Amino acid sequence: EPEVTQTPSHQVTQMGQEVILRCVPISNHLYFYWYRQILGQKVEFLVSFYNNEISEKSEIFDDQFSVERPDGSNFTLKIRSTKLEDSAMYFCASTRQGGEKLFFGSGTQLSVL
Amino acid sequence: GDSVTQMEGPVTLSEEAFLTINCTYTATGYPSLFWYVQYPGEGLQLLLKATKADDKGSNKGFEATYRKETTSFHLEKGSVQVSDSAVYFCALLLIAGGSEKLVFGKGTKLTVNP
Repeated sequence: EPEVTQTPSHQVTQMGQEVILRCVPISNHLYFYWYRQILGQKVEFLVSFYNNEISEKSEIFDDQFSVERPDGSNFTLKIRSTKLEDSAMYFCASTRQGGEKLFFGSGTQLSVL
Repeated sequence: GDSVTQMEGPVTLSEEAFLTINCTYTATGYPSLFWYVQYPGEGLQLLLKATKADDKGSNKGFEATYRKETTSFHLEKGSVQVSDSAVYFCALLLIAGGSEKLVFGKGTKLTVNP
């Protein structure tokens, strides 16, 4: 079965630094998502992306966050100036069309020190 | 707002035991409901889903029935295996304004011992 690929699997960074989390969605998918899970808490929706623009974003997704699909295959999440509370597992997901199941990557564990 | 509540873990069972993981939801309307599973080191995978009241989703011996009257979608399996050890997430699909997103519960970690 095709997979969503995320890199790196673990990222450690200093507070205030910029990080870019990378995802390669399944090739014929059109809808892309980022979710995150802070340890011990719920998996939370961050942002959805379709047709090269953000469809919806949560209140978590403030000006420090941005997403990009730079080359038609990668889908990135950038955090400009990381905070301690950004430490979480970040999941990328994609789907071919609305209402179909989401395919998730295995996640990037981000640790902000 | 729309939300999902699932039973706290961790849950530890012996092989061949009966499993129930409770999930209740709060939503306007009747959203589609899902169970996702995350095996160690892997991403979230769809386990089963139900799109309307009284639907039963099933897969790999797991079942869940969409109960509108109790706003529940409990996950059950009659005889668990060691390979079922994973984290299980209940979720609902929220559709609004032309976009959609999953709203997840906290997850329940299941460990099955031989």
